[in-house]
Amino acid sequence: EIVVTQSPGTLSLSPGERATLSCRASQSARYILVAWYQQKPGQAPRLLIQDGSTRATGIPDRFSGSGSGTDFTLTISRLEPEDFAIYYCQQYGGSPPFIFGPGTKVELK
Amino acid sequence: EVQLLESGGGLIQPGGSLRLSCAASGFTSSSYALSWVRQAPGKGLEWVAVISGSGGVTFYANSVKGRFTLSRDNSKNMMYMEMNSLTAEDTATYFCARGATTVDPFDYWGQGTLVTVSS
Repeated sequence: EIVVTQSPGTLSLSPGERATLSCRASQSARYILVAWYQQKPGQAPRLLIQDGSTRATGIPDRFSGSGSGTDFTLTISRLEPEDFAIYYCQQYGGSPPFIFGPGTKVELK
Repeated sequence: EVQLLESGGGLIQPGGSLRLSCAASGFTSSSYALSWVRQAPGKGLEWVAVISGSGGVTFYANSVKGRFTLSRDNSKNMMYMEMNSLTAEDTATYFCARGATTVDPFDYWGQGTLVTVSS
C-alpha cells in the first residue's frame, strides 16, 4: 500500500515569505493524482489544489502546486496572515481511493 | 449554496453501534460521490469510506472494512454510515465530503460530527 509523507512537519515563517511544502509517495503509480487541502483550527478542510496543479474555485493565485511521479510540492508565494494553518496532501485515483499525508503545519515565526 | 450537514455523533460504549447521517443540499446529490473522512482529536485526516452517486459502488478503508456500511437515499438527499463494533480508535470527528466521482478529491465538506467511544 502506498504511504504518503509530508515534510517538513512544521514550517515557521513570517508574513510575506515563501512557503514550500513537500509531499512524497512511497511508490509511483500511474493515474495517481495529488490534491492539497488547508485546515484551520475548528474548521473543515478546504480544497486548494487538485490534479497536482489546478487551483480550486476561489483559491488565490499565490497558491500553486507542482510535481509528478512520487514528489509533489505546494508553494505559497507570499504568506498572508490567513495562510497560517495545517496543509494536507492527498493522493487519489488508486487503491485505496484516497490517502492523506500527515500534514505540514505552517506557523507564525 | 452547497451544504453538507452531518448528524448522529455522540458518546457510545466500546462494542456499540452508531449511525451517522449526512444531509446534502444545494446540488443534485445523485450526481456526486460522498465520502466520510475522520479526524481523531489532535490528529490528521483519515479517509474512511466513499459511496458513488447512484449508491451502487462503495469503497472502505481497511481500518473499517466489515464494520462500517455506507448507504444513501437520493430521494431524501441523505447519506448514512452504519458503524458497528466500535472501539476507542474510532473516536474522531467525522466529516462528510463531496467528490465528483468515487476517485475525485473533495470540493465541499461539512463541519463534522464528533463520535466518542468510551466506557
